[in-house]
Amino acid sequence: GAVVSQHPSRVICKSGTSVKIECRSLDFQATTMFWYRQFPKQSLMLMATSNEGSKATYEQGVEKDKFLINHASLTLSTLTVTSAHPEDSSFYICSAVLRDNEQFFGPGTRLTVL
Amino acid sequence: KQEVTQIPAALSVPEGENLVLNCSFTDSAIYNLQWFRQDPGKGLTSLLLIQSSQREQTSGRLNASLDKSSGRSTLYIAASQPGDSATYLCAVRWGGSEKLVFGKGMKLTVNP
Repeated sequence: GAVVSQHPSRVICKSGTSVKIECRSLDFQATTMFWYRQFPKQSLMLMATSNEGSKATYEQGVEKDKFLINHASLTLSTLTVTSAHPEDSSFYICSAVLRDNEQFFGPGTRLTVL
Repeated sequence: KQEVTQIPAALSVPEGENLVLNCSFTDSAIYNLQWFRQDPGKGLTSLLLIQSSQREQTSGRLNASLDKSSGRSTLYIAASQPGDSATYLCAVRWGGSEKLVFGKGMKLTVNP
């Protein structure tokens, strides 16, 4: 199957700092990527749809100014958590859409805000 | 409202059993359905993708079926092994949207 990578896999930061998470499709081009967050023992919650060359579409209740998404190329989307606070601590996962519209997921990034 | 339901939330079985995992969804106008596996602290691994025009897909010991009219999909795992222990997620994409809607998952434990 197709490979999607995320970097970093884990990050610990102080409250008030910004953190950037990268999502790359390694062996295919993806015009559409998705960003999810997952709380412990819960399912995935879609945050936003990232489209190459255009603005991201955010789900209801997700602050676009707090979670900045940039999809500058067909293989890279970034999520920046600005002015992070402890309640932003979570597991963030990205996915990329391949042919037949099958989604492939990255390994996730564990964010801990102190 | 378009929703995906997985029941039960957890299942514990002895090694070797054949298993059926259930997924139900509202609104039969789906585009496709995917089954995923998630290990603790990890991302999702795509197991099977069923397009709306298909009735089943197979990969190794896994077989997924789709019945749109009844709003159901099942994931069949043959001869379960301890390595199959994980959380299994069902996700549906409906026509007119690129988004996947996930069920809450089913945590499977296969005991040696």
